[in-house]
Amino acid sequence: GEDVEQSLFLSVREGDSSVINCTYTDSSSTYLYWYKQEPGAGLQLLTYIFSNMDMKQDQRLTVLLNKKDKHLSLRIADTQTGDSAIYFCAESIGSGANNLFFGTGTRLTVIP
Amino acid sequence: NAGVTQTPKFQVLKTGQSMTLQCAQDMNHEYMSWYRQDPGMGLRLIHYSVGAGITDQGEVPNGYNVSRSTTEDFPLRLLSAAPSQTSVYFCASSGTVGEQYFGPGTRLTVT
Repeated sequence: GEDVEQSLFLSVREGDSSVINCTYTDSSSTYLYWYKQEPGAGLQLLTYIFSNMDMKQDQRLTVLLNKKDKHLSLRIADTQTGDSAIYFCAESIGSGANNLFFGTGTRLTVIP
Repeated sequence: NAGVTQTPKFQVLKTGQSMTLQCAQDMNHEYMSWYRQDPGMGLRLIHYSVGAGITDQGEVPNGYNVSRSTTEDFPLRLLSAAPSQTSVYFCASSGTVGEQYFGPGTRLTVT
């Protein structure tokens, strides 16, 4: 079955880069996603990457995909206190893009 | 656009009571889904719908019913609430590359 794993916690200093890692199991996943959840709120899509890409950059965010190792990472450059949140990795299940399987989330704490 | 809206934001039920969580979207998305979020477990898919009149089960469907009579609305019904259904419930609708737009959530407590 599907299994998406993330480390639970990450702390970084303001201004440093953050790297949040994720491993997934479904090699047929079409898309992989990163979501951000702030306290008391729903999930907000940050970015996604198509499975035939190995990198995507979007302003301060860089997504790296290693399909051979089924490893996905999200790098946040110049991390700010407003980046403190829980970050979820998700993979699309099977051939369709709509059913997602989520990891348990990584709580990022930015220290001023 | 309001995006995805959910009501109520908070609800307390007694064991055995029933209720309906409402979800609506104004983005004309065909795909909608319900998740529950529990501490340390991420989000788990309860039910989903690929269009009006079509629904299917997700990972944890037991104790929940859904229907989809219109594109806009996708209510989730708890038939007989149990303490194990205490959770935060999120509704989502999906865009063209499967990116999901989430509502603000309903925090449900069953005593």
